[in-house]
Amino acid sequence: DTEVTQTPKHLVMGMTNKKSLKCEQHMGHRAMYWYKQKAKKPPELMFVYSYEKLSINESVPSRFSPECPNSSLLNLHLHALQPEDSALYLCASSHAVRTERLNTEAFFGQGTRLTVV
Amino acid sequence: AQSVTQLDSQVPVFEEAPVELRCNYSSSVSVYLFWYVQYPNQGLQLLLKYLSGSTLVKGINGFEAEFNKSQTSFHLRKPSVHISDTAEYFCAVIRNTGGFKTIFGAGTRLFVKA
Repeated sequence: DTEVTQTPKHLVMGMTNKKSLKCEQHMGHRAMYWYKQKAKKPPELMFVYSYEKLSINESVPSRFSPECPNSSLLNLHLHALQPEDSALYLCASSHAVRTERLNTEAFFGQGTRLTVV
Repeated sequence: AQSVTQLDSQVPVFEEAPVELRCNYSSSVSVYLFWYVQYPNQGLQLLLKYLSGSTLVKGINGFEAEFNKSQTSFHLRKPSVHISDTAEYFCAVIRNTGGFKTIFGAGTRLFVKA
């Protein structure tokens, strides 16, 4: 199984709503990532979890709250978002130690298309 | 720090013609190099990667890339493109000493015309 599964595929939410994005992988990867991608732009790193601990937070606003309940799951909790937060949110996973002996690349999910109204 | 420059934002090409998508990188340390493809409303899929060894690497869907250390380039090529190759292509690097940050180029939109 080389898949990263994200749910939901599409989400429309109001600025006062609370919602969560979910991500799951069963490749034994111990690093998991959230990226935000605006149209016609490359993905921007938001958060990295390594061994279920937050390793990198790229100065993301607190209205985005990540959670890693176990080694296979990654959530992104959303609250009081703004219209400019509308984007494709991508989850990815990789080995925590990326060397030639292990796979070096990150595997990406299909993304959640988020629209904030 | 690392950076990646994709020299063309858009590349239009006719079906069955060859194509080259250009990528240059800058890094003070050794890196691994990747090409990812993104079809509309999809995630990123790895096309190919260069870790070490032979500088010509072959990937999926008939793509190949050549690593040129002296020119710090990693250009992607395909001898004959199909309509289905229309997508966004991202060149990316990570430090080969580990780390979590993949540095992406701005992307190149390949548009294959009939």
